[in-house]
Amino acid sequence: DAGVTQSPTHLIKTRGQQVTLRCSPKSGHDTVSWYQQALGQGPQFIFQYYEEEERQRGNFPDRFSGHQFPNYSSELNVNALLLGDSALYLCASSSTGIITNEKLFFGSGTQLSVL
Amino acid sequence: GIQVEQSPPDLILQEGANSTLRCNFSDSVNNLQWFHQNPWGQLINLFYIPSGTKQNGRLSATTVATERYSLLYISSSQTTDSGVYFCAVERDNNDMRFGAGTRLTVKP
Repeated sequence: DAGVTQSPTHLIKTRGQQVTLRCSPKSGHDTVSWYQQALGQGPQFIFQYYEEEERQRGNFPDRFSGHQFPNYSSELNVNALLLGDSALYLCASSSTGIITNEKLFFGSGTQLSVL
Repeated sequence: GIQVEQSPPDLILQEGANSTLRCNFSDSVNNLQWFHQNPWGQLINLFYIPSGTKQNGRLSATTVATERYSLLYISSSQTTDSGVYFCAVERDNNDMRFGAGTRLTVKP
């Protein structure tokens, strides 16, 4: 049973560019959440997708957008990259139910460096 | 939003020692989880524990929801326990709030 998979593992971009990160949830999960983790800090919630729609959003600008596909996989897009966007981007999957985020499962993350 | 405070920020132990990590949160929650992030960045779910006590091998956790804190106990620590331990809580809006973590170093 594959867990949560993310690609790519590492990415280097320059300021102003755009980036797309990808995530496949754990088998049986229908909900995908994205987090940004800056060095030395805890993960910060970006947004959550369920039934191909953004269900909840954290305090991130519109430069951060996402998409969920019918097979529950998801993409995170970041436009007009800033140096401060350098971070580890984590995808987490869960199964929507009474407690949606019960037992979150995380991928290994994508390390994004913006030069 | 909910504030999550973890203590201590750093902890250094000798192999075999026991430790207690604390998580305080500012409001009632319906979800609390403990995670371990290994040195390669992988976050592993340790416990889903919005209230009560659970044990899994050398690890156990207790959440006292009425007093808004949770404790993670690590007994007979091993070098593989090293990493950062995060507490994360959720009230009712589908976004998990993480604390800043406790960085644990276990020396052989």
